[in-house]
Amino acid sequence: GNSVTQMEGPVTLSEEAFLTINCTYTATGYPSLFWYVQYPGEGLQLLLKATKADDKGSNKGFEATYRKETTSFHLEKGSVQVSDSAVYFCAPSYGGSQGNLIFGKGTKLSVKP
Amino acid sequence: GAGVSQSPRYKVAKRGQDVALRCDPISGHVSLFWYQQALGQGPEFLTYFQNEAQLDKSGLPSDRFFAERPEGSVSTLKIQRTQQEDSAVYLCASSLAGQAYYEQYFGPGTRLTVT
Repeated sequence: GNSVTQMEGPVTLSEEAFLTINCTYTATGYPSLFWYVQYPGEGLQLLLKATKADDKGSNKGFEATYRKETTSFHLEKGSVQVSDSAVYFCAPSYGGSQGNLIFGKGTKLSVKP
Repeated sequence: GAGVSQSPRYKVAKRGQDVALRCDPISGHVSLFWYQQALGQGPEFLTYFQNEAQLDKSGLPSDRFFAERPEGSVSTLKIQRTQQEDSAVYLCASSLAGQAYYEQYFGPGTRLTVT
């Protein structure tokens, strides 16, 4: 079946460091791609998305580009802050008419001041 | 406006008890999803409703799990004869429609602990 592979954590960075979290997905069909984030004590919320090849999703300084040729959707941020500490989930949706998300295992990010 | 709400937030059940978990989606959202999130893992799909119709229940782990959405709004996930392996956070999400490109809005989850 369809699946997603996400960089394992935990990842610990200093404030203002560059962040990359790798994500690759199964190349079956043409999924929409999402990054969700779970801040401590809070529910899952959408961080960004891309729905077709070469689309770039961006939000709060985070970016990810839909790369069909490498089946990847890596998350990047140029300068992380302590407030970015959270668990990040890559999640393709292969849809059809249903659109359920397939989540990676999550990458826990800790940013130290 | 109000987001997705779930109740109870925490539930402790003795092994063998039945439990019912409630989800109130965002008003007007056609699609509703249930996910199960084990500790330290990503959420896993359980079942999907479009309005009151349950279109996909392929992720339900056993016939002890049952979900309904009788009027196309509130949904209930019921687990019969709970087992320890059912301990997890149960997440509900809703979206405007079922197509893959629509954002899903998640509730805070119900943490179920089976003792």
